[in-house]
Amino acid sequence: DTGVSQDPRHKITKRGQNVTFRCDPISEHNRLYWYRQTLGQGPEFLTYFQNEAQLEKSRLLSDRFSAERPKGSFSTLEIQRTEQGDSAMYLCASSLPSTGIPLYYGYTFGSGTRLTVV
Amino acid sequence: AQTVTQSQPEMSVQEAETVTLSCTYDTSESDYYLFWYKQPPSRQMILVIRQEAYKQQNATENRFSVNFQKAAKSFSLKISDSQLGDAAMYFCAYRSEEWDDKIIFGKGTRLHILP
Repeated sequence: DTGVSQDPRHKITKRGQNVTFRCDPISEHNRLYWYRQTLGQGPEFLTYFQNEAQLEKSRLLSDRFSAERPKGSFSTLEIQRTEQGDSAMYLCASSLPSTGIPLYYGYTFGSGTRLTVV
Repeated sequence: AQTVTQSQPEMSVQEAETVTLSCTYDTSESDYYLFWYKQPPSRQMILVIRQEAYKQQNATENRFSVNFQKAAKSFSLKISDSQLGDAAMYFCAYRSEEWDDKIIFGKGTRLHILP
């Protein structure tokens, strides 16, 4: 297992189009997180999964955004009717839950998908 | 809600010198984790160092160390013997232990290393 993989690395789309991103976490990690990062800012939480269950969604995640993690493996993040304000880096991360783990190392991040809406 | 504040948007340090990045946070919880993550230009974010709130001893990882002041809710990162490869965005981050929750990031500090 080489880490968290995200695909594609870059995506340019026209306003109004739908886009879908994929994240493959580290196989033994049951937690999977999506964050959005705009230029010069810190990552902002969007949503996270424990196995296939979506446990929390941020208010940043409008109705145009949907995330899935079928079978608790890879995850997809879809943005419908994209807007220029959706342009950002979308980061995926995975982890083990902290409880019961003697040493909790936080997340392992993927390289991100950079979305540009023109 | 917890917040993380990094008051230094950018910093510069001469190669081989020592630099300290500041971070404060706000929480009402007693058990939590604190992290410093590094994000080099166009590269993925990696964990630099972590601290459990219940530990009084400051964490150290080679040239990286923290000054954790729980009462003051302060968590600074010291980089000793700065190297060109240390140039990156550095993010301070918080995670609740009680709620086993998501990580909250600060806005980051961009660190420049001057040769």
